[in-house]
Amino acid sequence: EMQLEESGGGLVQPGGSLKLSCAASGFTFTGSTMHWVRQASGKGLEWVGRIRSKANGYATAYAASVKGRFTISRDDSNNTAYLQMNSLKTEDTAVYYCTKDGSGWSYWGQGTLVTVSS
Amino acid sequence: DIVMTQSPDSLAVSLGERATINCKSSQNLLYSSNNKNYLAWYQQKPRQSPKLLIYWASTRESGVPDRFTGSGSGTDFTLTISSLQAEDVAVYYCQQYYTTPYTFGQGTKLEIK
Repeated sequence: EMQLEESGGGLVQPGGSLKLSCAASGFTFTGSTMHWVRQASGKGLEWVGRIRSKANGYATAYAASVKGRFTISRDDSNNTAYLQMNSLKTEDTAVYYCTKDGSGWSYWGQGTLVTVSS
Repeated sequence: DIVMTQSPDSLAVSLGERATINCKSSQNLLYSSNNKNYLAWYQQKPRQSPKLLIYWASTRESGVPDRFTGSGSGTDFTLTISSLQAEDVAVYYCQQYYTTPYTFGQGTKLEIK
């Protein structure tokens, strides 16, 4: 069974940093592009960024709202994707989901809550 | 960036009746080389992760009831629920995966009348 499990969320002060993890199982992680999507409370879905596979050079792309502050990486040996978030702002407060790329994104984790507040 | 605009923002439909949600993209989502529209629909119930319903604008995901139908091409798309069931109460999002940044519509909240 294909599974994604996010972890690492929590409370952080503005300007602080946090690193989220997305542990994958049940599919060939090494060949998969992985995305991060976030959702502020009561708001819609916002794509954060993605990382491609090794075969595609681990290419990354980001939303303008996080570019230069967030970095996506992956550890194929541990089937895990990461989202390093620096210089956090209050507007980054959201549930962060990881999801596997495909023709439509079929598999999503349960999400992890990040709260940026003083 | 491609802007996705859904209408209406909210919708109340009686059980057993048809529900229609529209999605308009600011750019063409039809890729000429494979004749596919890079448009998906998701359903999100409270406190749950999004669930994929439709991809390539009209292909139903495995396990999705056939009362859900996606249609449209280019810049105009529609999600139709032919006979609303109580379990269909949710927020529905369209999404383009034609190019980064991938973007979602603002969501349509579907309720029972």
